[in-house]
Amino acid sequence: GAGVSQSPSNKVTEKGKDVELRCDPISGHTALYWYRQSLGQGLEFLIYFQGNSAPDKSGLPSDRFSAERTGGSVSTLTIQRTQQEDSAVYLCASSLREGGRAFFGQGTRLTVV
Amino acid sequence: QKEVEQNSGPLSVPEGAIASLNCTYSDRGSQSFFWYRQYSGKSPELIMSIYSNGDKEDGRFTAQLNKASQYVSLLIRDSQPSDSATYLCAVGKANAGGTSYGKLTFGQGTILTVHP
Repeated sequence: GAGVSQSPSNKVTEKGKDVELRCDPISGHTALYWYRQSLGQGLEFLIYFQGNSAPDKSGLPSDRFSAERTGGSVSTLTIQRTQQEDSAVYLCASSLREGGRAFFGQGTRLTVV
Repeated sequence: QKEVEQNSGPLSVPEGAIASLNCTYSDRGSQSFFWYRQYSGKSPELIMSIYSNGDKEDGRFTAQLNKASQYVSLLIRDSQPSDSATYLCAVGKANAGGTSYGKLTFGQGTILTVHP
């Protein structure tokens, strides 16, 4: 695709429910990154993929968070048993190669009520 | 000490002036440096990348890198009201083998306001 695509754009969920966030990177980009941004805050690293492997998942806040990438393309970030503190904008980015210029999607705004 | 630090701002400059945004980083092994612009409610947009010491110019933007001082800056010449946004500095490291490492660490951002 022309750019990084994330879905859904907005998600409102009840506390305790599971959610899945999807990221479709730019075609041909081998690296994919997940960040989150709380209101008025900077970008918090969650995890990145090189191909289907995740060399660094150190930013995942708890074992409720998991992510996978299949076929070296689409990635899914799953949050189980959502809590109110999970409310944030979840941003995905991709780059042609690891550590290269990264381009962001429009983000998914998650609200846990 | 934060890995990537930016002057907190907000920075306010008049239209037509030069805006200077600064960023320092703590890891001497850092290899890649990026500036992003983020408008309110939008996702970050890449505006500059720099990998070597010195200056890199692109239109009204100039990125400056000094690895010895662990310092990277962004100059915006002839600032316009449309440049008003939060500017994020991002730094990429090298892994133990010396090749690029995927994680980008972001600073907290500097809010820039350009007033007419």
